[in-house]
Amino acid sequence: EPEVTQTPSHQVTQMGQEVILRCVPISNHLYFYWYRQILGQKVEFLVSFYNNEISEKSEIFDDQFSVERPDGSNFTLKIRSTKLEDSAMYFCASSGGGGVLGTQYFGPGTRLLVL
Amino acid sequence: AQSVTQPDIHITVSEGASLELRCNYSYGATPYLFWYVQSPGQGLQLLLKYFSGDTLVQGIKGFEAEFKRSQSSFNLRKPSVHWSDAAEYFCAVGYSIYNQGGKLIFGQGTELSVKP
Repeated sequence: EPEVTQTPSHQVTQMGQEVILRCVPISNHLYFYWYRQILGQKVEFLVSFYNNEISEKSEIFDDQFSVERPDGSNFTLKIRSTKLEDSAMYFCASSGGGGVLGTQYFGPGTRLLVL
Repeated sequence: AQSVTQPDIHITVSEGASLELRCNYSYGATPYLFWYVQSPGQGLQLLLKYFSGDTLVQGIKGFEAEFKRSQSSFNLRKPSVHWSDAAEYFCAVGYSIYNQGGKLIFGQGTELSVKP
């Protein structure tokens, strides 16, 4: 069964450093998402991406964040200058259909720790 | 504002016993409702979803959920729990703007433990 993969599974970085989290969505999917879960809190929507542009983003997704689909298979989330509060589990998801009617398939997550 | 509440942070049930996980939502329009499960080290897996029609929906792994508009609830049930059901369960509500985006709003999650 096709699945969403994410690398790395864990990342430790120093405050102020840039990190890039990578995702390989399911191959024929067109819609891509990032969510995050701070320890002990809810899973929160960050951004959705379709047709090489952001469809929707949350208030969390400020100028420090960016997303890119650099080639036909990868979808990345970049945090330009990490803060302590960026420590969280980051989930990538993809769907074949748009909007809420497209089932989102999630990857296993990248646990980011900012020191 | 849209929100999802899962009142139970942690539930323990005996293997073979029935299970009900609670979910309440706050949403102004017709909700699209989901239950996801997360096993350790795994991504979120969709168990079932409700868009419209029959308010009792069947999902994978023997789970079902019932949408009750009057109670703003979408509780997840299973008649007989297996040890492999131990995991974290997330309720989510979805909506989309311009039929794109597909943003999901999640509840806090309920961790299920299963006693032998």
